[in-house]
Amino acid sequence: GAVVSQHPSRVICKSGTSVKIECRSLDFQATTMFWYRQFPKQSLMLMATSNEGSKATYEQGVEKDKFLINHASLTLSTLTVTSAHPEDSSFYICSAVVGLEVATQYFGPGTRLTVL
Amino acid sequence: AQSVTQLGSHVSVSEGALVLLRCNYSSSVPPYLFWYVQYPNQGLQLLLKYTTGATLVKGINGFEAEFKKSETSFHLTKPSAHMSDAAEYFCALKANAGGTSYGKLTFGQGTILTVHP
Repeated sequence: GAVVSQHPSRVICKSGTSVKIECRSLDFQATTMFWYRQFPKQSLMLMATSNEGSKATYEQGVEKDKFLINHASLTLSTLTVTSAHPEDSSFYICSAVVGLEVATQYFGPGTRLTVL
Repeated sequence: AQSVTQLGSHVSVSEGALVLLRCNYSSSVPPYLFWYVQYPNQGLQLLLKYTTGATLVKGINGFEAEFKKSETSFHLTKPSAHMSDAAEYFCALKANAGGTSYGKLTFGQGTILTVHP
């Protein structure tokens, strides 16, 4: 149980285009999902907290107009990188909280974004 | 404020040797503590967690960790390393502030474990 998927696993796009990444909880409902960014050889940086049916809460320094987050259902959150630039190239990982299980986040497999 | 420090960005052991990955934390409230493992180009997999109760926590793949409040530590150990243990390991903390059952995780910098034959 507690499986989180992400799609696509890998995407290459041209500079200026927008890319959408999906995060799904496959066998549970997730009222809260988190989006992280990981640069090579570095730790995870929390970008935003996504709550179903409400606006995402962004961490300081994260551009909300650039990284659009939608949590339309209890099993799906999407991250859209708008007008992507090469500096947006990174590994994006989502996580979800399982029901009433205290504190534990379950992570998706990640999406490798490369912007040319 | 809370923080997590992992001592040693790289640890190298021989197959069959003891694995010890160090994690120290700082938190103004009782912490929940986690160890995650990440294989190349993959997400994070939960190894084990401490919330309350027994301070020695056993996880998957033979790993265990002990919460030591007096030392503000949560070191990860495994008696005998396997080649398949080679990966990056992250220690993480969530403040146990009561009320909400979920919240932000603060991650350590990560430790890359290399296992030699």
